[in-house]
Amino acid sequence: KQEVTQIPAALSVPEGENLVLNCSFTDSAIYNLQWFRQDPGKGLTSLLLIQSSQREQTSGRLNASLDKSSGRSTLYIAASQPGDSATYLCAVPERRTYKYIFGTGTRLKVLA
Amino acid sequence: DGGITQSPKYLFRKEGQNVTLSCEQNLNHDAMYWYRQDPGQGLRLIYYSQIVNDFQKGDIAEGYSVSREKKESFPLTVTSAQKNPTAFYLCASSINRLAGISTDTQYFGPGTRLTVL
Repeated sequence: KQEVTQIPAALSVPEGENLVLNCSFTDSAIYNLQWFRQDPGKGLTSLLLIQSSQREQTSGRLNASLDKSSGRSTLYIAASQPGDSATYLCAVPERRTYKYIFGTGTRLKVLA
Repeated sequence: DGGITQSPKYLFRKEGQNVTLSCEQNLNHDAMYWYRQDPGQGLRLIYYSQIVNDFQKGDIAEGYSVSREKKESFPLTVTSAQKNPTAFYLCASSINRLAGISTDTQYFGPGTRLTVL
């Protein structure tokens, strides 16, 4: 059964710092991996999707990498800003059922 | 304007009462999902539906019921059998089967916060 883990659970950094969020999964036979952002009391917003055949995806200051063999994905945020403060979650769809398995998220706070 | 809508934004339930949360999407997605989110926890799957007139239980289906009579709509009923329903409920959709699972992206609604009085 697929399990998804995110470490750390919470992170505080000063503005301008580059940072890395981690996502680990136990079954490397994945279709894709998706990173989301959630602001307090809001729904999830899709940030990046990496297909299983890809190694990384970029959108603005965000870069997500995927290493299936080691069961890991990282989300790199460059030049962090206070507006980046949110919870970041990763998710993978389970084979056969298409159910999405979510990590518990990393709560990021960028200090001005 | 394409997307997923959920209503109401806030909902209050009395003990022993059934309530229904609405979820509508105009993205032409085949699959729809209901998740529950408790403070400090990840998302837990309640029910999901991959196609009209079909749905499956997720990890925490007890005390909940759903229907999928139309592609666009996937309402969730929280029954009196759900003993601890206070939570944030999120609806999502995904899988345009023509696009394929590898590029499938899951889209979320804004959520409904349910409180038991």
